[in-house]
Amino acid sequence: DTAVSQTPKYLVTQMGNDKSIKCEQNLGHDTMYWYKQDSKKFLKIMFSYNNKELIINETVPNRFSPKSPDKAHLNLHINSLELGDSAVYFCASSQAQGYGNTIYFGEGSWLTVV
Amino acid sequence: GNSVTQMEGPVTLSEEAFLTINCTYTATGYPSLFWYVQYPGEGLQLLLKATKADDKGSNKGFEATYRKETTSFHLEKGSVQVSDSAVYFCALSVTGGFKTIFGAGTRLFVKA
Repeated sequence: DTAVSQTPKYLVTQMGNDKSIKCEQNLGHDTMYWYKQDSKKFLKIMFSYNNKELIINETVPNRFSPKSPDKAHLNLHINSLELGDSAVYFCASSQAQGYGNTIYFGEGSWLTVV
Repeated sequence: GNSVTQMEGPVTLSEEAFLTINCTYTATGYPSLFWYVQYPGEGLQLLLKATKADDKGSNKGFEATYRKETTSFHLEKGSVQVSDSAVYFCALSVTGGFKTIFGAGTRLFVKA
């Protein structure tokens, strides 16, 4: 069983479109995240939820909107896609936030905006 | 603030060579330290971690020791294999903090 699963794995879309990435974790964790990884492998946190409550909201354009219907799911919706949004987006989860907690990552969603 | 600095890559080694990837940190609280590995086309996964000074984390032949006096957590492996080719990330989280801070990643290539 995949611990953190996200769909779709690959997404190619045109500028201006709206797209969503879904994520589910079956680890029973309280905390979920969205990370963005650029072509140089630099990893940046975008959002963090703890028990469906938004905890971390980094400087991310308003076009990105996370939604957590329950603590096992965290979806990411992106409006009006731009070329610069092309990246790999990772969903992740951990038992709790911060000190000592291991983060479990999904396999990534490779977004290409053309 | 809290930050992680790791050596720039890529690091290219021959099979069975000794590996060191340097990682130093700054932390406003008491940190726990991690190494994550990302194989091609996959997400990051925990390689090892240490939660207090002088602890040694180890896994799959990799080791790292939490050195408070030098604020370092260098990753080592005595004999690398081609299958170790990946990107390695040093990371920290601190008491009272919400975030895990990741370094920029170091890409390792191992040649047969």
